Amino acid sequence: DGGITQSPKYLFRKEGQNVTLSCEQNLNHDAMYWYRQDPGQGLRLIYYSQIVNDFQKGDIAEGYSVSREKKESFPLTVTSAQKNPTAFYLCASSTGFIRTDTQYFGPGTRLTVL
Amino acid sequence: GQQVMQIPQYQHVQEGEDFTTYCNSSTTLSNIQWYKQRPGGHPVFLIQLVKSGEVKKQKRLTFQFGEAKKNSSLHITATQTTDVGTYFCAAYSGGYQKVTFGIGTKLQVIP
Repeated sequence: DGGITQSPKYLFRKEGQNVTLSCEQNLNHDAMYWYRQDPGQGLRLIYYSQIVNDFQKGDIAEGYSVSREKKESFPLTVTSAQKNPTAFYLCASSTGFIRTDTQYFGPGTRLTVL
Repeated sequence: GQQVMQIPQYQHVQEGEDFTTYCNSSTTLSNIQWYKQRPGGHPVFLIQLVKSGEVKKQKRLTFQFGEAKKNSSLHITATQTTDVGTYFCAAYSGGYQKVTFGIGTKLQVIP
């Protein structure tokens, strides 16, 4: 059963702690993305990776870090430097990085920082 | 930078009524995609429009891309309760995945 998995679905952390969100895909897609979704706002791009061992900052990368050591995996770390980390985080992937490639989204992780 | 405005932000309709959401860009787009996100769910791809003036239909859903490739619309005929969710446009400019998502239109259907 192909797709994108994100875990966990809900995550609670204390302020000041780093937390890593998991994203795995078995679609054999080259490109992967992390978005943040807040109420009343569109999806905002945090980081993206066109290919393994390469990644680029998106529009709101401050306070986040990523790695892409394997094609299937693109974990996102929310660091203590992120001022307002409570949000719904969505991972996506696409076949390639050209504009007509469709992005497939995972189920999301809802992070709450207490 | 590219700005994308999506209107309305919320829409309540009686079941059976029609619904339309609009996506307007400040710049000419290369292509546009539409996604649907059910409450508590994640965005799911609906359709992609590439050509100027393009119209595509999926059952009760009609998607249009403007002649100037700066705006797009999604129209649902005779809404059903299964249409409930938030509809997003994803506007692309340039050759790569430089995308700007609209804020989304949240549709509520009253039975």
